[in-house]
Amino acid sequence: AQSVAQPEDQVNVAEGNPLTVKCTYSVSGNPYLFWYVQYPNRGLQFLLKYITGDNLVKGSYGFEAEFNKSQTSFHLKKPSALVSDSALYFCAATALGSSNTGKLIFGQGTTLQVKP
Amino acid sequence: KAGVTQTPRYLIKTRGQQVTLSCSPISGHRSVSWYQQTPGQGLQFLFEYFSETQRNKGNFPGRFSGRQFSNSRSEMNVSTLELGDSALYLCASSLQGGPTGELFFGEGSRLTVL
Repeated sequence: AQSVAQPEDQVNVAEGNPLTVKCTYSVSGNPYLFWYVQYPNRGLQFLLKYITGDNLVKGSYGFEAEFNKSQTSFHLKKPSALVSDSALYFCAATALGSSNTGKLIFGQGTTLQVKP
Repeated sequence: KAGVTQTPRYLIKTRGQQVTLSCSPISGHRSVSWYQQTPGQGLQFLFEYFSETQRNKGNFPGRFSGRQFSNSRSEMNVSTLELGDSALYLCASSLQGGPTGELFFGEGSRLTVL
């Protein structure tokens, strides 16, 4: 079965410090990987995706993610955290196949808390 | 360009009732997916529609159903509501629903079942 794991329920970081939110995945075939962010009482907003090519993907708001095939990981990173980055972050995965049409497998989410 | 619009934003129902939620996708998007978000189960895929046809379905009971209209607007219906159906229901649209395209989410419909 396909799955996405985010091992940390919460990540705390001081403003200005680098941040990492971890994600590992298990999908059949080549994975397509995504990061989304959710602010309170809002829907999910797309941050970035890995489809193919360069293992380091750059996205919105200064976020980037590194795809590591051997470790089946897709960790989200940012060099310098802002208080406004505090939110709930979801990693998601899918792959080719009719059973995956329009469907993302999401991790449980990681709450990022950035303290001033 | 207007985003994905979901109505109603909040609603309260009692057990045994039914509910219909509506989703208007971004103009030009033909794929609409529905997800249920709960604190315990996280985000779970309900179903996906494209050109008025259900192309994919998650592991939910038959009480959960949906449809898509010719203008790509979609509705989902939950019949015989149970307490466990309390959740945030999110609709997402994309151009074709393919695996490489990002989903654009609405703000959700928060359903409380009493």
